[in-house]
Amino acid sequence: GDSVTQMEGPVTLSEEAFLTINCTYTATGYPSLFWYVQYPGEGLQLLLKATKADDKGSNKGFEATYRKETTSFHLEKGSVQVSDSAVYFCALRHTGTASKLTFGTGTRLQVTL
Amino acid sequence: DTAVSQTPKYLVTQMGNDKSIKCEQNLGHDTMYWYKQDSKKFLKIMFSYNNKELIINETVPNRFSPKSPDKAHLNLHINSLELGDSAVYFCASSQDTGGGTQYFGPGTRLLVL
Repeated sequence: GDSVTQMEGPVTLSEEAFLTINCTYTATGYPSLFWYVQYPGEGLQLLLKATKADDKGSNKGFEATYRKETTSFHLEKGSVQVSDSAVYFCALRHTGTASKLTFGTGTRLQVTL
Repeated sequence: DTAVSQTPKYLVTQMGNDKSIKCEQNLGHDTMYWYKQDSKKFLKIMFSYNNKELIINETVPNRFSPKSPDKAHLNLHINSLELGDSAVYFCASSQDTGGGTQYFGPGTRLLVL
């Protein structure tokens, strides 16, 4: 079945550091890929998405590129801020009558001054 | 206006009780979901409804019964609550069952004592 593997956290960075959170997936066909973010005490918000190979999703300075050859969708940001501290979830979704999001285990990011 | 809302936000109850969580979306979406997030932050699909019809049921104990009175509402009723049911339950909706974005509610934190 489908699965998503994320790097284990927590990831602790100083403000303005470069961020990479690795995500790889196992799936048949061509799923859509997503990054969701969960700030403390809140629900999930879509951060960015990509629907086909080589697509790059971007939002709020975050980027991720859909790499079919490596089955990866790594999240990057050039300069993190304290306000980026949250849990980040990589997810995939197939289209179709029974589509659902399959999530990774989440990676907690802690950014310090 | 809140796009996807859930009530209650917090629910503390005793083992063996029956409880319900309500979800409403005002986005005009056709498809709604329930996800469970455990204490380790792992998120997993439970149910999905499309136009009031059940389309996903992910091997959830039959103590959990979703009900969709109309396509804007998806409620979750849980009978005979157990300690292991303690989790955060998220409702979500999407335009349809295709590859579109899922929008999440703020979550209901259930604690079974």
